[in-house]
Amino acid sequence: DIQMTQSPSSLSASVGDRVTITCRASQYISDYLNWYQQKPGKAPKFLIYAASSLHRGVPLRFSGSGSGTDFTLTISSLQPEDFATYYCQHSYTTRWTFGQGTKVEV
Amino acid sequence: QVQLQESGPRLVKPSETLSLTCAVSNYSISNGYNWGWIRQPPGKGLEWIASIYHSGTTYYNPSFKSRVTISVDTSKNQFSLNMNSVTAADTAVYYCARQTQVLWYFDNWGQGTLVSVSS
Repeated sequence: DIQMTQSPSSLSASVGDRVTITCRASQYISDYLNWYQQKPGKAPKFLIYAASSLHRGVPLRFSGSGSGTDFTLTISSLQPEDFATYYCQHSYTTRWTFGQGTKVEV
Repeated sequence: QVQLQESGPRLVKPSETLSLTCAVSNYSISNGYNWGWIRQPPGKGLEWIASIYHSGTTYYNPSFKSRVTISVDTSKNQFSLNMNSVTAADTAVYYCARQTQVLWYFDNWGQGTLVSVSS
C-alpha cells in the first residue's frame, strides 16, 4: 500500500501567518492527492482535490501544490477558524490511505 | 445538499459483530458515486475501511482482511458495514461518506458515531 507521511505532525502559528503543510507519498501518485480539514469533535471537511483544485466554497487562502510524491497545503493568511487538523489522502489506487495528520494550533 | 447519517449500536462486545448503517438523504445512491466507511480511533488519524458503488462493486482495505462486509440497499437509500470478530482496537468514531469516482475523494461526510468495543 502507498504510505502517506505528513510533516510536521503539529505546528504553532498565529492569525495572519502563512502556513505550509507537507505530504509525501511512498511512491509516485501523479496528482492524485486530496486534502481535508478536521476540527475537534467534527467530521472531516473536504478542501482540495487533484493536488491543487479547490472544492467549491473553500476560501481562496487555501492552496495546494505538488505532483509525483511531494505535496503541500498552504494557508496564505491563517484565520481563527483555520485552527484544525489537516489530512492528506491519496487516490492513485483503489486502496486509499490518509496521512497521519498535521495539527495547526495557536 | 446531500446528508449522511450513521446509526447502530454504540457498544459492542469483543468477538462480536459491529453493524452500522448510513442513511443518505437529498441524493439517490442509484445516481452514482461510491459510498464509503472511514474510522478514527480516539486521538488518532483517519483510516479508510471500505467503499461500494450502487451497482454493488466493492473496495476493501486489505488490512481488514475478511472481517468486513459492505453492502448497499438502493430501495432504502442506505448502505451498511459489518465488521466481525471485533476487539478493543476497533473502538473508534465511524464515519460514512460519499466518494467520487475517478478522483476518489470523499466530498460529503456523516457526523460520525463512536462505537466502543468492551465487555
